[in-house]
Amino acid sequence: DADVTQTPRNRITKTGKRIMLECSQTKGHDRMYWYRQDPGLGLQLIYYSFDVKDINKGEISDGYSVSRQAQAKFSLSLESAIPNQTALYFCATVKVWDGKNIQYFGAGTRLSVL
Amino acid sequence: AQSVTQLGSHVSVSEGALVLLRCNYSSSVPPYLFWYVQYPNQGLQLLLKYTSAATLVKGINGFEAEFKKSETSFHLTKPSAHMSDAAEYFCAVGRGNKLTFGGGTRVLVKP
Repeated sequence: DADVTQTPRNRITKTGKRIMLECSQTKGHDRMYWYRQDPGLGLQLIYYSFDVKDINKGEISDGYSVSRQAQAKFSLSLESAIPNQTALYFCATVKVWDGKNIQYFGAGTRLSVL
Repeated sequence: AQSVTQLGSHVSVSEGALVLLRCNYSSSVPPYLFWYVQYPNQGLQLLLKYTSAATLVKGINGFEAEFKKSETSFHLTKPSAHMSDAAEYFCAVGRGNKLTFGGGTRVLVKP
């Protein structure tokens, strides 16, 4: 079983719909991150969480919200999806090692907004 | 602020040839650096990380990267490409709690 699991793996939705992407982990890490990946842009940070009560905005948080339901679960929501949110979304957990963050990624969720 | 530039969005190599993927970074403080690989329909996997213990870092699958402070570079190499190396590779620079990723380089390996 994967250490970081994202559901769904693929989703097609319509403009204006609310959608939630889910991430769960079995690594026992406190820190979890959500990224979006667009061709040529690499990964951009949407939100990150250090623990259940600590949630922070990343570089591109507008149009997104998150919920850290438990240490193992971190969900990303699009309240009203728009076409330019079509992207590949990744969840990651973070292990702090020697003062550095080592990130472990899920397999990704491919979202298309029509 | 920090940034990462990967030169070349696509690289094509012949099987058995050298793989060289370029990464340059800008950072106001000494960075910590990573290379990740993404195989089709999969998430990112850590290839290697710069620990500051040695400038030449060896990773998985025969890859290595050399940190050159004077050139602000962290290029990734593999002496002999294999078909299974076809993937997208991302360089990332970290500071504090965040990683900044380069745009990625897609590697095509020709038989």
